[in-house]
Amino acid sequence: AQTVTQSQPEMSVQEAETVTLSCTYDTSENNYYLFWYKQPPSRQMILVIRQEAYKQQNATENRFSVNFQKAAKSFSLKISDSQLGDTAMYFCAYRQETSGSRLTFGEGTQLTVNP
Amino acid sequence: NAGVTQTPKFQVLKTGQSMTLQCAQDMNHEYMSWYRQDPGMGLRLIHYSVGAGITDQGEVPNGYNVSRSTTEDFPLRLLSAAPSQTSVYFCASSYVPGNTEAFFGQGTRLTVV
Repeated sequence: AQTVTQSQPEMSVQEAETVTLSCTYDTSENNYYLFWYKQPPSRQMILVIRQEAYKQQNATENRFSVNFQKAAKSFSLKISDSQLGDTAMYFCAYRQETSGSRLTFGEGTQLTVNP
Repeated sequence: NAGVTQTPKFQVLKTGQSMTLQCAQDMNHEYMSWYRQDPGMGLRLIHYSVGAGITDQGEVPNGYNVSRSTTEDFPLRLLSAAPSQTSVYFCASSYVPGNTEAFFGQGTRLTVV
């Protein structure tokens, strides 16, 4: 079975600074997808960024980027120029190639951006 | 386009009561799933469905029942509520192939007393 581990339960960063959230996973599959979801206090799950395992290039979405290390099974999220609105719980998630909405989530990292 | 709609948003049950959490999506997605979210444990898969008439168990299925009679609806039934089922429940849906994201409902906060 696949597992996803987020070893940082809580992190904090000053506004405008950069922060990196860590995620490791375990799988025997070669093709799969990785996601970072954001959950603000509203409880809504919001997709931040996604990565296909067969793509070596790291995904980037505006201020959010990932460092995907397939051999090490590591998938970290970097948030640049942190904003107060980035304060949220962040979940790393894994999905097999054909598993649709069947995701395996990490425990989550609560990120607080301080003014 | 409403996306994934869950009802109710909040619910308090007494131990032993039964109830159904509703989930509906209007995106014609084949895949639908139910998760529960507990502090320090992330989201864990309860049940999922790959299409109408097809369901399967996830990681934590005990105490829950599902059915999928239509593509749009995927209700989750609590047969006899227990305090251990106090949690936040999320429904999600997606297409099957490719790098498609899962769309989530807004969640149901359930308290069993």
